Amino acid sequence: AQSVTQLGSHVSVSEGALVLLRCNYSSSVPPYLFWYVQYPNQGLQLLLKYTTGATLVKGINGFEAEFKKSETSFHLTKPSAHMSDAAEYFCAVSDRANQGGKLIFGQGTELSVKP
Amino acid sequence: EPEVTQTPSHQVTQMGQEVILRCVPISNHLYFYWYRQILGQKVEFLVSFYNNEISEKSEIFDDQFSVERPDGSNFTLKIRSTKLEDSAMYFCASTERLSTDTQYFGPGTRLTVL
Repeated sequence: AQSVTQLGSHVSVSEGALVLLRCNYSSSVPPYLFWYVQYPNQGLQLLLKYTTGATLVKGINGFEAEFKKSETSFHLTKPSAHMSDAAEYFCAVSDRANQGGKLIFGQGTELSVKP
Repeated sequence: EPEVTQTPSHQVTQMGQEVILRCVPISNHLYFYWYRQILGQKVEFLVSFYNNEISEKSEIFDDQFSVERPDGSNFTLKIRSTKLEDSAMYFCASTERLSTDTQYFGPGTRLTVL
């Protein structure tokens, strides 16, 4: 069965600093991996996804993530944090073992950005 | 840009009452989902729906829950007799294809059961 673990429920960085949000997955098949962002009182918005091919994936708003099979990781990074990046971030894996295609989410990481 | 819409944004109900949460998926999408997020917890899958039938459902999705696509645009989640523990944010999502394609989420309905 697939699962996702996000290390750190809350991460705080200064504006301009590196953002690193950690995600590890467990999957019995080659995973499809996603990062979603949730701004206050809004739905989930896709930041980026990995399916096949290049392991470094670039997304919106300057975020990128690298799929590392040997480490079963898909960490999210951004070189320089902006105040508008403050939000909750969810890592997810697609359940490819079943017909429904559901997403299995991690616990979420709340990112705070200090001026 | 097309988006998934959900109504109402907030629903307050008494325990034991029936509620219907409504979603309008993106028009050319074929796969539909309901997820929920209890306050402070992770987003959990409830049910997936394709070709007018349930593809998969979670353990949470018991006999008190049902889904329906009553017409060509709406996708509804019904809770027959609400419990306190049903209080959560409910998200609808849709996608054009499975697995590799992006699931587009609505803004959610916050359900409060008193």
